[in-house]
Amino acid sequence: DQQVKQNSPSLSVQEGRISILNCDYTNSMFDYFLWYKKYPAEGPTFLISISSIKDKNEDGRFTVFLNKSAKHLSLHIVPSQPGDSAVYFCAATTGGTSYGKLTFGQGTILTVHP
Amino acid sequence: DAGITQSPRHKVTETGTPVTLRCHQTENHRYMYWYRQDPGHGLRLIHYSYGVKDTDKGEVSDGYSVSRSKTEDFLLTLESATSSQTSVYFCAISESAAKAFFGQGTRLTVV
Repeated sequence: DQQVKQNSPSLSVQEGRISILNCDYTNSMFDYFLWYKKYPAEGPTFLISISSIKDKNEDGRFTVFLNKSAKHLSLHIVPSQPGDSAVYFCAATTGGTSYGKLTFGQGTILTVHP
Repeated sequence: DAGITQSPRHKVTETGTPVTLRCHQTENHRYMYWYRQDPGHGLRLIHYSYGVKDTDKGEVSDGYSVSRSKTEDFLLTLESATSSQTSVYFCAISESAAKAFFGQGTRLTVV
């Protein structure tokens, strides 16, 4: 049972445009959500997170939106750059003693074309 | 970058042999984790530790054991490696729910 799902295996975007990556979850106990970026042959790198008490969090070009009623979150990258090309994973946790005990989606491969 | 070192980075082993992967941190973080990454599954939690000698099972713990005798070291052991354990293994550390830091990964091939 996949509790966190990324239904788009890949996304292709032109440089300068917006990239929108989506993630759905089923476990209503999740109260913290994170996005990670991964380059080949490297470990995942933390990008941005959001608590369930918020519906939006921004960090530079990256914004995460959370819609709790729909159990949906999205990552917006504006403007997209070729260096953003990577695999993006969304992850969720129930917090408390579950710090770092993350449930991941399958990942979305983002390709940003110059 | 968080100080996390995984060793070895690559390993090829034969079916039925024991294998131990090591994760070493210099951040003094309390929580440590082992994940495996497989196509179509993202990363899945194998085992985790919330302190020295305190460990618990994750989602895919069968065939794996762990030990943590010091804050900085977390060992993952495959008692008798099988081909289904061919994967990329990531260690992670955390001190809060806000983020976890991952190591570079160990690519394990069981032939």
